[in-house]
Amino acid sequence: RKEVEQDPGPFNVPEGATVAFNCTYSNSASQSFFWYRQDCRKEPKLLMSVYSSGNEDGRFTAQLNRASQYISLLIRDSKLSDSATYLCVVYATNNNAGNMLTFGGGTRLMVKP
Amino acid sequence: ETGVTQTPRHLVMGMTNKKSLKCEQHLGHNAMYWYKQSAKKPLELMFVYNFKEQTENNSVPSRFSPECPNSSHLFLHLHTLQPEDSALYLCASSQEWGTAFFGQGTRLTVV
Repeated sequence: RKEVEQDPGPFNVPEGATVAFNCTYSNSASQSFFWYRQDCRKEPKLLMSVYSSGNEDGRFTAQLNRASQYISLLIRDSKLSDSATYLCVVYATNNNAGNMLTFGGGTRLMVKP
Repeated sequence: ETGVTQTPRHLVMGMTNKKSLKCEQHLGHNAMYWYKQSAKKPLELMFVYNFKEQTENNSVPSRFSPECPNSSHLFLHLHTLQPEDSALYLCASSQEWGTAFFGQGTRLTVV
């Protein structure tokens, strides 16, 4: 089982739609959680951190369920510019390895006019 | 600008060449990472350094050799690469709480 799993998609949605991505992680000792966005042929960039209480940034809402080891990202009123790959990222401190960032394989979103 | 700088941005090398990729960060981060991303594939973790100590080597072939002389610099030395090693090589750094910043990557082509 992969440490961080995401549905690769692609999710093809019309402009204005609401779309949700899910992510599951296997390490119960994980401490921090993030969503990154990666545009084609570019480096990943931080979209938002994910907090236990859930957090919102404009059209984007992130949720964390520690009991189920599940993270979600909701995008409302999709824009063409939201087309990208969304990466779920989990951070843990491993006694042997120190700080460890683990990336999911990414979910590709394509927003159509 | 994320504060993580990679050079060169593009590199074409022959299979018998030796080259090095450089990554530099002045964010005060204590963890640095090398990732490989082949075309249309997910990120693959290669190496992790915490406080200049290598803490992860993700079964990477010995033709890739990392070096971390200090907490701000990370190198990836390349020698006798294969065409299938052509990819985008990304460096990232992070602090204790995990937020990572990436460099813009080196697009490597092995001919």
